[in-house]
Amino acid sequence: EPEVTQTPSHQVTQMGQEVILRCVPISNHLYFYWYRQILGQKVEFLVSFYNNEISEKSEIFDDQFSVERPDGSNFTLKIRSTKLEDSAMYFCASVQEDSPLHFGNGTRLTVT
Amino acid sequence: GESVGLHLPTLSVQEGDNSIINCAYSNSASDYFIWYKQESGKGPQFIIDIRSNMDKRQGQRVTVLLNKTVKHLSLQIAATQPGDSAVYFCAEFYGGATNKLIFGTGTLLAVQP
Repeated sequence: EPEVTQTPSHQVTQMGQEVILRCVPISNHLYFYWYRQILGQKVEFLVSFYNNEISEKSEIFDDQFSVERPDGSNFTLKIRSTKLEDSAMYFCASVQEDSPLHFGNGTRLTVT
Repeated sequence: GESVGLHLPTLSVQEGDNSIINCAYSNSASDYFIWYKQESGKGPQFIIDIRSNMDKRQGQRVTVLLNKTVKHLSLQIAATQPGDSAVYFCAEFYGGATNKLIFGTGTLLAVQP
């Protein structure tokens, strides 16, 4: 069964550094998402992406965040200047249309 | 250091018993609901979904009930097994062009052997 893959599985970075989290969504899917989960808390919506542009973003997704689909297979989340509070699991998801989102296993981001 | 997270509601059941996990959703306009299971260190995994034109849907060992009047969802797991131990999230689609999925708080299901 096709799945969403995310790399790296764990990223450690220093405060103020830029990080790029990478995702390969399922190939025939049309909608792409990033979610965040702080340890022990619920999964929070960050951004949705469709037709090569952002469809919607949450208040968490401020100017330090950006997303890109640089080619036909990858979907990236960039955090320009990381803060301690950005430490979390970041999940990528994709969906064809009007069906359940498929999630990757996440990237654990640790900001020190 | 890491932030202290919220304490999740916990349901503790004996192996073989039936489990019922409840969820209240927020948006009366939501028309599609999904239950996800999340095991430690993994992403949310789809279990079962239901649309707003239904009030019950059954899968293998799982049943979802929807009560739109009180904006309530439940997930019933029959003959709970140790492998069912995980955090369970309900999620609602806010609808529209974005298909934005919003998660609830989550319930930790602990199955005792």
